[in-house]
Amino acid sequence: DVKVTQSSRYLVKRTGEKVFLECVQDMDHENMFWYRQDPGLGLRLIYFSYDVKMKEKGDIPEGYSVSREKKERFSLILESASTNQTSMYLCASSSDLLAGVYNEQFFGPGTRLTVL
Amino acid sequence: AQRVTQPEKLLSVFKGAPVELKCNYSYSGSPELFWYVQYSRQRLQLLLRHISRESIKGFTADLNKGETSFHLKKPFAQEEDSAMYYCASLSYNTDKLIFGTGTRLQVFP
Repeated sequence: DVKVTQSSRYLVKRTGEKVFLECVQDMDHENMFWYRQDPGLGLRLIYFSYDVKMKEKGDIPEGYSVSREKKERFSLILESASTNQTSMYLCASSSDLLAGVYNEQFFGPGTRLTVL
Repeated sequence: AQRVTQPEKLLSVFKGAPVELKCNYSYSGSPELFWYVQYSRQRLQLLLRHISRESIKGFTADLNKGETSFHLKKPFAQEEDSAMYYCASLSYNTDKLIFGTGTRLQVFP
């Protein structure tokens, strides 16, 4: 069974703290993604990675960084958490494009982060 | 820039009524479009993609290039269809998905 796991379901942090959100997939997928999900705004891509040690900015990278040291793990880092980063964070993974056929993104359960 | 628009935040219907969740996209080429669904307390999952032309859980979606639409339809809604639905488009030449803002479907008994 396909599995994407995230380290925490709920997280409460204080303004200014450094926050790490971890995502692990066991499908040997090349691609991994971090989104934030907000009511009325849908899913917005923060960062993604096509391969180990590679990263690309998404649509809203400000205030975030990522790390991908191993193929199965993709970490999202909030260098100095702020209240406007209170949100649901979703991780996803997918296999490489194969012969023009898009491969489905598989999502983790999400981490609800509250920054006080 | 590519965009996906879902004009309705909330759609409420009674069980057995037809359902149509609207999705419009902005892309001049041949888009790859998807519907994702998130049931209460479950993870987001793929419902269907236009390229496979399949029907999942009674839902279908037809790509209309003239109207740049990919509306999701079901002839008879069930209570278990209540969920958040997101339309998404694959960004040209990448693996990035561009999501709409989502429509919450409520099906009343």
